[in-house]
Amino acid sequence: GEDVEQSLFLSVREGDSSVINCTYTDSSSTYLYWYKQEPGAGLQLLTYIFSNMDMKQDQRLTVLLNKKDKHLSLRIADTQTGDSAIYFCAENSRDAGNMLTFGGGTRLMVKP
Amino acid sequence: EAGVAQSPRYKIIEKRQSVAFWCNPISGHATLYWYQQILGQGPKLLIQFQNNGVVDDSQLPKDRFSAERLKGVDSTLKIQPAKLEDSAVYLCASSFGRREQYFGPGTRLTVT
Repeated sequence: GEDVEQSLFLSVREGDSSVINCTYTDSSSTYLYWYKQEPGAGLQLLTYIFSNMDMKQDQRLTVLLNKKDKHLSLRIADTQTGDSAIYFCAENSRDAGNMLTFGGGTRLMVKP
Repeated sequence: EAGVAQSPRYKIIEKRQSVAFWCNPISGHATLYWYQQILGQGPKLLIQFQNNGVVDDSQLPKDRFSAERLKGVDSTLKIQPAKLEDSAVYLCASSFGRREQYFGPGTRLTVT
């Protein structure tokens, strides 16, 4: 099946930038997503990017997509303690009926 | 706008018992999804409905899991009989088109 891989853990200091990386294998992906999950909560859609774009900026969030390398990243500027959560990337595969395939999640810890 | 509602939030049952989860999607969202999220992993799609028809149930363990969406709005997911490995969070999501899926808070199931 298709794979989405993420590193498990990232620790940053408050005020620094965070960069969370993701790699995927499905070349038919149409959209790629970033979701945030806080303890005991569902998934919150943060942002998404269409596969023919290479960058999208939304306030403190910047998404970069390298389609050639199948690499997606999420940069959070001026990271705050409230950004501490698990971040999931996901791809929407046209060849798989537009189902979402998620990575295993990256736990972001923000230290004051 | 009200989000995706799920109940119950928590459920503890013994193995071989039955359990049912309920989901009410965002008003007007034709597509509804059930995901299983095992601790430490990303969500995995179990079944996708378009109105009251099944689009994809290829990853649903049909010998014990069933789901329905009779009137094209609310949905129930049932497990009968439950196994220890069914312990997970069951997430419901809905979408209007195929780009943005919005998730409910989930039901945490513990099978003892």
